[in-house]
Amino acid sequence: DGGITQSPKYLFRKEGQNVTLSCEQNLNHDAMYWYRQDPGQGLRLIYYSQIVNDFQKGDIAEGYSVSREKKESFPLTVTSAQKNPTAFYLCASSRQGSGYTFGSGTRLTVV
Amino acid sequence: QKEVEQDPGPLSVPEGAIVSLNCTYSNSAFQYFMWYRQYSRKGPELLMYTYSSGNKEDGRFTAQVDKSSKYISLFIRDSQPSDSATYLCAMYSNDYKLSFGAGTTVTVRA
Repeated sequence: DGGITQSPKYLFRKEGQNVTLSCEQNLNHDAMYWYRQDPGQGLRLIYYSQIVNDFQKGDIAEGYSVSREKKESFPLTVTSAQKNPTAFYLCASSRQGSGYTFGSGTRLTVV
Repeated sequence: QKEVEQDPGPLSVPEGAIVSLNCTYSNSAFQYFMWYRQYSRKGPELLMYTYSSGNKEDGRFTAQVDKSSKYISLFIRDSQPSDSATYLCAMYSNDYKLSFGAGTTVTVRA
């Protein structure tokens, strides 16, 4: 079955550490997105990519980085510059003229 | 002012009732409108996808879009306890970047 796979499901980060969240899709979608979800704030766009080897900052890109070397993969790195990284992270993909398909999310906690 | 406004609720209804959810928006360029359902600690699941003004029905779900008023609605008929979730409205223009409402938490009481 086609879909989006996010891993890991839970991730713990120590202060000053970089961590990478994985996102893989087999839907053959061109566009991929990373969102952050905090209680009461809805989803906020971190980065998005509409084609391979190209990506743009979203509304809250500071402290995050991404790469898009393959159509299927769009990993997100949460760097030590992100001061409040504890959140639920959601990856999504879409093709032109359709809704987004979301992964099941990664819950990141700072310890 | 947020681009998309959605009443966060919570909303509690008895089983079998009609659930009414709505969002307003400020960006007149939005053309594509969606409703997502999200269970606790899960990713959002697409329920309804509509383009421009009008109604769309799918089983117990009806989505309405009124672009002149910048207002969208989702109705759930014959609600079930399994409908208890957070419902998110979302929309985008030609840039395909989704803007979300904050979500409305719904509880259907058995």
